Amino acid sequence: EPEVTQTPSHQVTQMGQEVILRCVPISNHLYFYWYRQILGQKVEFLVSFYNNEISEKSEIFDDQFSVERPDGSNFTLKIRSTKLEDSAMYFCASSGDTNEQFFGPGTRLTVL
Amino acid sequence: AQSVTQPDIHITVSEGASLELRCNYSYGATPYLFWYVQSPGQGLQLLLKYFSGDTLVQGIKGFEAEFKRSQSSFNLRKPSVHWSDAAEYFCAVGLMEYGNKLVFGAGTILRVKS
Repeated sequence: EPEVTQTPSHQVTQMGQEVILRCVPISNHLYFYWYRQILGQKVEFLVSFYNNEISEKSEIFDDQFSVERPDGSNFTLKIRSTKLEDSAMYFCASSGDTNEQFFGPGTRLTVL
Repeated sequence: AQSVTQPDIHITVSEGASLELRCNYSYGATPYLFWYVQSPGQGLQLLLKYFSGDTLVQGIKGFEAEFKRSQSSFNLRKPSVHWSDAAEYFCAVGLMEYGNKLVFGAGTILRVKS
């Protein structure tokens, strides 16, 4: 069964450093998403991406964040200068034409 | 603004007992509704969805949910809970006009006692 994969599973970084979180969506999906879940809190939408452009972003997704689909398989989330409050679990998701979003296992980001 | 409310933070049921997890949403149009389950340290797995049509939807693992427009609810049910159902359950509404984003509730942690 096809699945969304994410790497790394855990990323530790120093405050102010740049991080790139990687995702491989399901191969025939065209819609891609990033969500985050701060420990003990609800899952929050960050951004959706379709046809090589952002289709929707939340107020969390400020200028420090960017997304890219650098090739035909990967979908990345970059945080340019990490802050302590960026520590969270980041989930990638993808969907096809059924509006069902399939989630990856997540990347736990720890900012020290 | 669109929102999802799960009023129960924790629920404990005995193995074999029935389960109902509550979900209410606030959304002006006809919603797309979902239930996801998350085991500790894992990602989110889709249990079931409602897009249109029959208001009682069946999902995986023996779960079902009923959409009630008059109550703005989408409660999740299971007739007989198994110990492996212990997890956190999230209700979500899909906003097609906002990039298909999902708005999640705060989650309900289900504990199963033997």
